[in-house]
Amino acid sequence: DAKTTQPNSMESNEEEPVHLPCNHSTISGTDYIHWYRQLPSQGPEYVIHGLTSNVNNRMASLAIAEDRKSSTLILHRATLRDAAVYYCILNGGGADGLTFGKGTHLIIQP
Amino acid sequence: ETGVTQTPRHLVMGMTNKKSLKCEQHLGHNAMYWYKQSAKKPLELMFVYSLEERVENNSVPSRFSPECPNSSHLFLHLHTLQPEDSALYLCASSQSPYRVGNQPQHFGDGTRLSIL
Repeated sequence: DAKTTQPNSMESNEEEPVHLPCNHSTISGTDYIHWYRQLPSQGPEYVIHGLTSNVNNRMASLAIAEDRKSSTLILHRATLRDAAVYYCILNGGGADGLTFGKGTHLIIQP
Repeated sequence: ETGVTQTPRHLVMGMTNKKSLKCEQHLGHNAMYWYKQSAKKPLELMFVYSLEERVENNSVPSRFSPECPNSSHLFLHLHTLQPEDSALYLCASSQSPYRVGNQPQHFGDGTRLSIL
């Protein structure tokens, strides 16, 4: 799986939107962009994924740049329970599993 | 409730002990995975099973021995472990690893393993 680059940490206030960026300049045409998050003492949790078009679900929105070299995970209204490490991962299928980086540690201030 | 259950949640064992980690998925998936998460390191893929057949083994030492008796259950048998094997061991499942990359993986909450 191709490499992604994310900020080490970000801080936001409760009830405000959060935009988590991810760069993936070497993405291939068949790579899907996945986001997972890991809360303390839990396993990673799937958040959202997309290929070319922006995606929305009950947890978040995913905005994908037109050239697909970057994407942004959007939490529309952060709560304290959204404090976690967020991972941006490229998934091209196959039997390689997922390649996790260090992710972004999101801190939510009350 | 994630649909993937791992037991035990915590395990302390000596270097000469033999123990097993268990994972069960209730999602009807056909692929299962073992990952290792050491302190301050990214998750590392250890093993991949598809339809009970091992399809990936990422150069894992033989003291870790996986077993997949059916598509719902996955075990990791441990013997003669080293202190550096202390970590969080995570199990995950997905519909299939061979499709295109649009299939999410669903993770359990892991087994925290400590080697004395």
